[in-house]
Amino acid sequence: DSGVTQTPKHLITATGQRVTLRCSPRSGDLSVYWYQQSLDQGLQFLIQYYNGEERAKGNILERFSAQQFPDLHSELNLSSLELGDSALYFCASSPRGQFYEQYFGPGTRLTVT
Amino acid sequence: GESVGLHLPTLSVQEGDNSIINCAYSNSASDYFIWYKQESGKGPQFIIDIRSNMDKRQGQRVTVLLNKTVKHLSLQIAATQPGDSAVYFCAENIGGNYGQNFVFGPGTRLSVLP
Repeated sequence: DSGVTQTPKHLITATGQRVTLRCSPRSGDLSVYWYQQSLDQGLQFLIQYYNGEERAKGNILERFSAQQFPDLHSELNLSSLELGDSALYFCASSPRGQFYEQYFGPGTRLTVT
Repeated sequence: GESVGLHLPTLSVQEGDNSIINCAYSNSASDYFIWYKQESGKGPQFIIDIRSNMDKRQGQRVTVLLNKTVKHLSLQIAATQPGDSAVYFCAENIGGNYGQNFVFGPGTRLSVLP
């Protein structure tokens, strides 16, 4: 158990809908990263937050957004969902100042039908 | 659990034998590399890392070798055990200081035979 929690574990929704994925980082970690993992694809970095502020953006679609709250939990919002958005979404957190040392949560499996 | 990488290359190894998993990375300027293990239904788990100024690094039952000339990384697992069955993938840091520029390989599925 990495100490990073993600909810829900599974999510099934229809095209055009909007969902919110939630992540709680390890206690004391300030950085949160969001990744997408599709079948047969490597992990793709989406976005990073540090202590409530956006730190870096990767290949994140405009339909997707995220935020990190004062209690350091983070939410990833996916809207106008398409079939191709079906994937595993992982959150990771890293200790203060140790950005390379990322601890991954168990992921949320999103299925868009 | 969820299936990751249904069509990944698979390495089948007899229990007790050594495993070697390979990874070709893309950027000659990458300065840091990590090997991850991902079991079914779980998130990636850090195994071992290596910086570009090193050729070899050893951990507990694992060794990572880095060949910068051919941009190749390998993970050696000694005395492979059933619990080692998982998808293994490498990650390279192509730049930046905040962990936002890791490029992850698609992975190799390790299957340990009894």
